[in-house]
Amino acid sequence: GAGVSQSPSNKVTEKGKDVELRCDPISGHTALYWYRQSLGQGLEFLIYFQGNSAPDKSGLPSDRFSAERTGGSVSTLTIQRTQQEDSAVYLCASSPAGGRSYTFGSGTRLTVV
Amino acid sequence: QQQVKQSPQSLIVQKGGIPIINCAYENTAFDYFPWYQQFPGKGPALLIAIRPDVSEKKEGRFTISFNKSAKQFSLHIMDSQPGDSATYFCAASSEYSGSARQLTFGSGTQLTVLP
Repeated sequence: GAGVSQSPSNKVTEKGKDVELRCDPISGHTALYWYRQSLGQGLEFLIYFQGNSAPDKSGLPSDRFSAERTGGSVSTLTIQRTQQEDSAVYLCASSPAGGRSYTFGSGTRLTVV
Repeated sequence: QQQVKQSPQSLIVQKGGIPIINCAYENTAFDYFPWYQQFPGKGPALLIAIRPDVSEKKEGRFTISFNKSAKQFSLHIMDSQPGDSATYFCAASSEYSGSARQLTFGSGTQLTVLP
């Protein structure tokens, strides 16, 4: 597609429920990144994919968080047993191989009540 | 060592003023320094970037100044306009896994340009 697409744009969930966030990167971009942005805060790195593999999962805050990427394209970030501190905007970005600049999606605003 | 420190947290200027946002880093392996602009409800968008082999880069009204010895870089916005009101993030990266780059972001500066 023309840009990075994320869905849903907003998600309200009850504490303890699982959620799935989707990212559809720019066609042909081999690298895909997930970041988390809490209210008024900077961007916290979560995970990075090169193709379908995730060489760096170091930013995932707990084992409740997982992510996968299939077909070198769409990625899903799953948060199990959501907690209130998981409330944030989850941003996805993609870049071409060796690319220095990211193209971000508009994010998914997750609210855990 | 991976941290990028950004200041100020917020900044208010009058139209036509020159806001300056500063960033500092520790990791000498960083070799690419972009700035991103984020409007409410949108993802960050690349604004301008610099490599450490130059001390200044200008694109339109936006200028990056880079001081390699001090490990600092800054964004200047000339003749600022109300439409420049946004959150600005500095970032830094080094080559990563040979095929992609992980950006480390500063904490952001919320800029307000008054009409």
